[in-house]
This record gives sequence, structure tokens and C-alpha cells, in this order.
Amino acid sequence: EAGVAQSPRYKIIEKRQSVAFWCNPISGHATLYWYQQILGQGPKLLIQFQNNGVVDDSQLPKDRFSAERLKGVDSTLKIQPAKLEDSAVYLCASSTVTGGTGELFFGEGSRLTVL
Amino acid sequence: AQKVTQAQTEISVVEKEDVTLDCVYETRDTTYYLFWYKQPPSGELVFLIRRNSFDEQNEISGRYSWNFQKSTSSFNFTITASQVVDSAVYFCALRRSSYKLIFGSGTRLLVRP
Repeated sequence: EAGVAQSPRYKIIEKRQSVAFWCNPISGHATLYWYQQILGQGPKLLIQFQNNGVVDDSQLPKDRFSAERLKGVDSTLKIQPAKLEDSAVYLCASSTVTGGTGELFFGEGSRLTVL
Repeated sequence: AQKVTQAQTEISVVEKEDVTLDCVYETRDTTYYLFWYKQPPSGELVFLIRRNSFDEQNEISGRYSWNFQKSTSSFNFTITASQVVDSAVYFCALRRSSYKLIFGSGTRLLVRP
């Protein structure tokens, strides 16, 4: 079974530029998550989708971050304009269920460096 | 409020030593789930174990064991006879029944040959 795929693995941009990350979850997984992991910290949830609807985006900085999950499969996370503090690894995860019993499967992440 | 504390930032041991990673959590819910994930240098978070709040039975899986104690709000993870391949960052996480997974800050484990 293929795992969660993410691209690009690495991206370096200058502040105020824009960037987009792509995620393809495990086939059949209805729930998709984007997490931000700043160096030395645990992952923090940015947004959670159930199929193509948003379940939780309370910690998404909506003035600069946006995410979509068209057709309930792939997802794209965009940052525009980027700030220095956005330097982090952006992890995508998927699960079969939304509730507490659902194990999350993570991709390898997209490492963003903002100069 | 929910919170997960991993007080050990980094642990270094010599191969074959036993090591325990501590995890303390805070929640007012009676139903919740606790997790441990491993993050090797490749960056991918690998699921290790899930425990629900009604199951305090300790679990052993090979060299790994977990001690869940509701009385002290702790969910500690022990690796017996550590190996170099165990070197990674380990995260403890907490989840209410239908809410987001909250991670601790992680413990970096270095196993030296």
C-alpha cells in the first residue's frame, strides 16, 4: 500500500514570496491533515479536512495560509506571502476516520526555508 | 485545556541500555486517546501505539513497552536493550474523541554504539 506522498521535499524562498505544497493521501482515507512542525517542537495542526470539507482550521493563519482539497483526495497548502517564521516542515497526514481511534499516517514532509 | 509535556529534551544512552521516555498529559475529558510516534531522520512520523483512557493495561511489543497510569496522568515508553536504529525523536500525543491530535515537544533519543 502506498503511503502519504508529499512534494516538494525541500523549498527555499525569500520572504514575501509564495509557495505551495501538495499532498496525496493514502487511497480511501477520508480525513486529511496539514501539520506545521517548527524545529525543536512537536507538530501543530493547521487544518483538518473530512472529504473535501474543513473540520478544523482554528490554528491556520488565514491572512497568509490557504488550503484546499478538491474532490476529496489531493490537497494543496499555500503560503502567500511567506514570513521568516514560516520556516518549518509541513507534514501531511491521513486517516480512515475522524475520531479518536483513527491512526494518522504521515508523509515525509516538505521542509520550507524562508530567507 | 489539553497539554502534553515531554520534559526530557534529549537522552543519550549506550547500545543495549534500557531507556524510558516520559510523557505527562493534561485533560479534563474522561474519554481520550494517547499515542506515541517515532520520527527518524527521514522526517516521517511513524505510529507506535494508541491507548484509550479506559484501558490502563500495560503493553509490551518486542523491546518496546508502555506504562499508562491515569493516577499520575502519565504514559511512559520504555525501550529495552536499545539499538542504534532506535535513535530518533519520539513524540507523545493526546486526542479527545473527535478533536485534533496534540503533540508534546518530543524527546530526541541518541543510542551510541
